[in-house]
Amino acid sequence: NAGVTQTPKFQVLKTGQSMTLQCAQDMNHNSMYWYRQDPGMGLRLIYYSASEGTTDKGEVPNGYNVSRLNKREFSLRLESAAPSQTSVYFCASSDNRSGGYGYTFGSGTRLTVV
Amino acid sequence: QQQVKQSPQSLIVQKGGISIINCAYENTAFDYFPWYQQFPGKGPALLIAIRPDVSEKKEGRFTISFNKSAKQFSLHIMDSQPGDSATYFCAAWHNNFNKFYFGSGTKLNVKP
Repeated sequence: NAGVTQTPKFQVLKTGQSMTLQCAQDMNHNSMYWYRQDPGMGLRLIYYSASEGTTDKGEVPNGYNVSRLNKREFSLRLESAAPSQTSVYFCASSDNRSGGYGYTFGSGTRLTVV
Repeated sequence: QQQVKQSPQSLIVQKGGISIINCAYENTAFDYFPWYQQFPGKGPALLIAIRPDVSEKKEGRFTISFNKSAKQFSLHIMDSQPGDSATYFCAAWHNNFNKFYFGSGTKLNVKP
């Protein structure tokens, strides 16, 4: 099925460990995004890539890095995980050329940092 | 500074009732306003959307009302059903920055 695929679905990390969250879309979308969702905080943008080869910071970029590997893939890296990064992470993509037909979201990665 | 303000934070409605969720924005550069529906353990999914040149859009039991002068828009769910119980997010698209700004979400509980 066409859409946005995120891996892994669940992860537990120890404080200080690093990991990369993977995201891939097969809809030929230009733009990709990483959000985190915390109770009562809604969706907060971490980083986004408006087009292949570009990345920009969102509202909460500290502690994260991203790589737009190609048009399909956009990864999020935690270099030294902290308990404050315990959250559900969503990747999304959009065909912004058409003026926005909304995001397509992945199913999320639930990350716990202990 | 929150670009899109959403209310209420939570809402309880009886089956068959009308659910109303409101959003307000300040930036007149926003030009596309979707609503997303999120079930527990799932990613948000596009429910319905409107552009600012239209005052209302209806899709089945879901209606968006848009007031451009007041910079407000709302989601109305008619004949609410227990299956509508979910978290709803409003959003606004900024074409210059190629991204959405989201409201903080409303958790809807429809009681049977």
